[in-house]
Amino acid sequence: ETVLTQSPGTLSLSPGERATLSCRASQSVSSGNFAWYQQRRGQAPRLLIYGTSNRATGIPDRFSGSGSGTDFTLTISRLEPEDFAVYYCQYYGSSPQTFGQGTKVEIK
Amino acid sequence: VQLVESGGGLVQPGGSLRLSCSASGFTLSRYHMHWVRQAPGKGLEYVSGITSDELHKIYSDSVKGRFIISRDISKNTLDLQMGGLRIEDTAVYYCVKEEAGNWKPFENWGQGTLVTVSS
Repeated sequence: ETVLTQSPGTLSLSPGERATLSCRASQSVSSGNFAWYQQRRGQAPRLLIYGTSNRATGIPDRFSGSGSGTDFTLTISRLEPEDFAVYYCQYYGSSPQTFGQGTKVEIK
Repeated sequence: VQLVESGGGLVQPGGSLRLSCSASGFTLSRYHMHWVRQAPGKGLEYVSGITSDELHKIYSDSVKGRFIISRDISKNTLDLQMGGLRIEDTAVYYCVKEEAGNWKPFENWGQGTLVTVSS
């Protein structure tokens, strides 16, 4: 089982700032099977990025993903008020499809 | 696409509960489906999955031997039979549809149903 470790645990930023979230896998994984999800307070998670760098339907272009091997990054270029949420990474190339523990992006 | 979970509630330790996920807007049997849970204030934890052909059923180590995933094609529903419930099973349980194909992201999520295990 691939263990995913996200950092930092909490990111305190202001609207308009850039957010950089990291996810490290315990072993090298296929970048074609790596995703990011956003979970706003009181809501179900929603798919943001799949295949490391592809935005899901309806996701604005201020969200971007990159990475390979064991290190992956989610970047939000300019934080909007609705972007303050918890973000999870996921590797879905093997069973079980594990998640990272989450990074909370909070308003500074 | 819509996924609506039901069946959650309060149950005593050692008890059983059956969750159901009603799917609409697509044919459930054509997709791999999953259950993911989230304990209060915690992160996402994969629970169980079933392939579109029902040949493979996957369980996390934490629920293996206690939970059973199944489908009812006639009702287009996904079920999770939970037994031997423990306090640590307390969580919101989400029904999740995987994108078409194999080893794809989780593209649709239900709103979840809360299971509380307490005496």
